[in-house]
Formats: sequence, structure tokens, C-alpha cells
Amino acid sequence: NAGVTQTPKFQVLKTGQSMTLQCAQDMNHEYMSWYRQDPGMGLRLIHYSVGAGITDQGEVPNGYNVSRSTTEDFPLRLLSAAPSQTSVYFCASSTRGGKYQETQYFGPGTRLLVL
Amino acid sequence: GESVGLHLPTLSVQEGDNSIINCAYSNSASDYFIWYKQESGKGPQFIIDIRSNMDKRQGQRVTVLLNKTVKHLSLQIAATQPGDSAVYFCAENMAGYNKLIFGAGTRLAVHP
Repeated sequence: NAGVTQTPKFQVLKTGQSMTLQCAQDMNHEYMSWYRQDPGMGLRLIHYSVGAGITDQGEVPNGYNVSRSTTEDFPLRLLSAAPSQTSVYFCASSTRGGKYQETQYFGPGTRLLVL
Repeated sequence: GESVGLHLPTLSVQEGDNSIINCAYSNSASDYFIWYKQESGKGPQFIIDIRSNMDKRQGQRVTVLLNKTVKHLSLQIAATQPGDSAVYFCAENMAGYNKLIFGAGTRLAVHP
């Protein structure tokens, strides 16, 4: 299994541009999530999904959209990039979430720089 | 280079010593806790977890202790090795919620 994969590894955007960060997992995990990580801080949850067709907001959802049309894929869309969105983005998946939260497995991350 | 963790607290230990990394969690309703290790340029990697019905759990060279009374979690690493150098995060999950809340992290530096 490849586990959790993310593309691209690195991206530079200009303010106002839009883009999609891709995330895929081949472990048949129900639960997927997106985090951002800023210097000196832990990971902050952006959006998550407990299964195909179901998404919900995390701590810092503003400026981001997600969809979950398949179990495997969970793309994160930046609608109009801002310098404040410069960060490292991690996708994670686990067998399930909620009351029976299980260990999350993380992808390698996407480094995003917004100029 | 790695931009994450520039201003994190750092624990420096000698190779072979035991390390103890501490974490204060925020919510008394949290019922599941995880320790993650993050090496430079990589995503967080699961180390060990513990549920709130336990106060201690052991893995290979690692032990997690949970004190619910004071909302404190610790990670003990025995015979610390250079490969243990990384940033360590604790994370908590509140019962009934689909969210992991991460702490800010501690950098572990192992010196020969």
C-alpha cells in the first residue's frame, strides 16, 4: 500500500489564485482530514470527512473547500489564495473517527507559499 | 530547511539517557490521546496511543502515562537514540467529536 499520498509537494501561488491540493489513500479508510501546520504551532484541523459524501468544518475552515466523492480521494481547494494561507498542509486518514477515533496516518505534506 | 518548530520548547538529552516529554491537554472530556513524532520534512508518524480508561501503556522503548486528574500526558522514551531526534506532538480527541486537537509540540535533541 502507498498509504496516504499528497500532490504537489511544493507550490507557489500569487494572491488571488485558486488551486486544489490532492490527497488520496489506498487503505479503504472512512475518515479523512486536512490540517495546516505553521511555524511553532501544532496542526490545526481545516476540514474533515467521515465518509464519502460527508464533510464538516474543523478549527480553521475559512478560505478552503472540500468534497469527498469517493472513499479514496479528499481534495482541498483554496478559493482565492492569501499570504496567510502560506503553510504546510497535511492530509490524514484513519479507519474511523468520532467516538471510536482511531490512529490517523499522515501524508508527506504540501508546502504552499502564497506571494 | 524545516520551518516547523522554530520556536518550540526543546528537550536536550544525551544518547542512552531516558527522555520524558510532557503535554498538558485542554479538555476533561477528551477520551483518546495519541503521541506523534515528526521528523524534518515529513508528516507526523504515530508512536503510541492511550484511551482514558487506562493510565499507562507501553510500547517498544516508549511508555505513555495519563493523569486525568491534572489533565497531563507524558511520553517516556527509554535509551534515547539519535534517530529519536524530532518534534513530538500530543493530540487529544474529545468524546463524541470527530476531531483531534494537537498540542504545539516539543523538539527532542539527542546528543552523542
